Amino acid sequence: ETGVTQTPRHLVMGMTNKKSLKCEQHLGHNAMYWYKQSAKKPLELMFVYNFKEQTENNSVPSRFSPECPNSSHLFLHLHTLQPEDSALYLCASSQDSGRDTEAFFGQGTRLTVV
Amino acid sequence: KQEVTQIPAALSVPEGENLVLNCSFTDSAIYNLQWFRQDPGKGLTSLLLIQSSQREQTSGRLNASLDKSSGRSTLYIAASQPGDSATYLCALTGGGADGLTFGKGTHLIIQP
Repeated sequence: ETGVTQTPRHLVMGMTNKKSLKCEQHLGHNAMYWYKQSAKKPLELMFVYNFKEQTENNSVPSRFSPECPNSSHLFLHLHTLQPEDSALYLCASSQDSGRDTEAFFGQGTRLTVV
Repeated sequence: KQEVTQIPAALSVPEGENLVLNCSFTDSAIYNLQWFRQDPGKGLTSLLLIQSSQREQTSGRLNASLDKSSGRSTLYIAASQPGDSATYLCALTGGGADGLTFGKGTHLIIQP
């Protein structure tokens, strides 16, 4: 247990569905991140939030919509996804988004788009 | 744009051997370098963090080194065990952006 909890662990959704991924951290951190891990590719940074403010959007399609209501919670809202969006979505947190801080990851949500 | 390469992509060795995993990066202006372990279908577990002012970190049977000038890091695993079987990922911060840049990983199998 790393102190970063993601729910659900598995999700199957149709292309017309709307769903949300949830991430919660109990480490007192101020920065939270969404990463995408697809087969045969390195983990890709999607979004960064520092003190609830979005500081990075790595050219992610608008069908992915992040929300950070407070420093402990991060959501990823999904709508009209494509089959190629099927992947492992990982949430991480760190003390802040400064570059000397250690990142801790959750167990991920395995998303399948059908 | 920073690129991170991990060699080898896969490695299978008998139990008890010492082994070295390699990570190289193209832009030496990095801050942190972290080594992670990932078991199949699971999240990432942080193994070692080398901060910008450090050159080496050790934890148990693991030792990681960092040489910024040559753009390289190595993860040394001593006396390997079957429980060490996993994918090992190298990731770093730097290059003007927040967040980590990852390599594709080394898939390690330790044969009993």
